[in-house]
Parts: sequence; C-alpha cells; structure tokens
Amino acid sequence: QKEVEQNSGPLSVPEGAIASLNCTYSDRGSQSFFWYRQYSGKSPELIMSIYSNGDKEDGRFTAQLNKASQYVSLLIRDSQPSDSATYLCAVNVDNYGQNFVFGPGTRLSVLP
Amino acid sequence: EAQVTQNPRYLITVTGKKLTVTCSQNMNHEYMSWYRQDPGLGLRQIYYSMNVEVTDKGDVPEGYKVSRKEKRNFPLILESPSPNQTSLYFCASSLSGKQYFGPGTRLTVT
Repeated sequence: QKEVEQNSGPLSVPEGAIASLNCTYSDRGSQSFFWYRQYSGKSPELIMSIYSNGDKEDGRFTAQLNKASQYVSLLIRDSQPSDSATYLCAVNVDNYGQNFVFGPGTRLSVLP
Repeated sequence: EAQVTQNPRYLITVTGKKLTVTCSQNMNHEYMSWYRQDPGLGLRQIYYSMNVEVTDKGDVPEGYKVSRKEKRNFPLILESPSPNQTSLYFCASSLSGKQYFGPGTRLTVT
C-alpha cells in the first residue's frame, strides 16, 4: 500500500509568520508531487507542483523536495488569515499514469 | 470559463437503487479521475482514465463503475449503492499531473 503522511494538525500560526507543512511518502519511485489547498466546503485547488530535488518558489509559497528522504514540504511566508484552510499533499505513484495518492491533509489556522 | 462540472451536487438515495454521477470538463484534458473524500481518510482515488475507452482502478474501486466514451465526460456509476458509499465525491481532470477538481457531489445512501 503506497502511503502519504502529513503532519497532524491543526496547525495554528499568527498572521505574518511562516507556516511549515510537511509530507512524507512511502513509494521511493514517485517523481511528481503536488500541494492542494481546500477551503471548508470547497473543492481542492492546486497551489504548487514540484518534480526535482530542492526548492521551488511561487510568491509566498515555497515547496521543498528531498527524494532521498522521501519528504516534501510547503512553506507559506507572511501567512494571512485567508491562508486558513486544509492543505493536501498528493503524490503521483504511477509515473506513466494518473494514479494519485493524497495525504489526509493538515488544517492550518492563521490567527489575526 | 475552464471548468469541471458535476451533477447532481447533492443526492440522497436508498440502498440498491442504481445511480450515476456525471462529470464533464471543457479543457480538452485527456486525463480524468474520480475521488471520494471521507473525514479522517482524505481523498482516495476510485478510478482514473487516461483517454477515451482507457480506464484503470484507483485505490478504492469496489462498488463503482466508470466509462469514458467521450473525452469530455467521465460518469461514475453506482449499480447497487450501499450506506458505506455515503461520501463526498470529486471528479477531476488533469494536465501534466496538475488536477482541476469539480465542485463535488455529496451522496447519502440510506
């Protein structure tokens, strides 16, 4: 069973702080990794994708990937109350197909 | 507007009564998927499709069927629904692994 784990929440940070969300995966052959944000009662929306070891930055978001440690993280700088949501880590476990495994999600609350 | 649509958005049905949830995308994506989302279990993939007439099982396919006769449509069929299929269902289409989700269908089976 290919698994994706995320740090348990909820995670609370003050406005303006850095929020750090972590994800580990069991399938060493996985090559594609994604972070989704899901507001309560809404559908997931893609915020970051990462395929190579290292950091990838997009505005206030930075995704970090370490394939040797089977670890991917998402940093949110200057956190805003509007960032309060559940963050889902997703791994493509079938690199020639579309078989995705999602983590259970981490709920983030940014306190004004 | 690029979007994935699902119908119905809400459905209450009884055990054993066949139902279909429709999914349609207007982005010309080859790949489409169905997921269910349950508290504490996250999103779990039911089926996915890589092209017309090409489908494959995800992690929780039991009790579900799909078909892909046209590129834009990917219906989910529950031939004999049971209460353990009560869940929130999402359809998604994807390009280069990036998935775009529909608004969800909340299904209750009594």
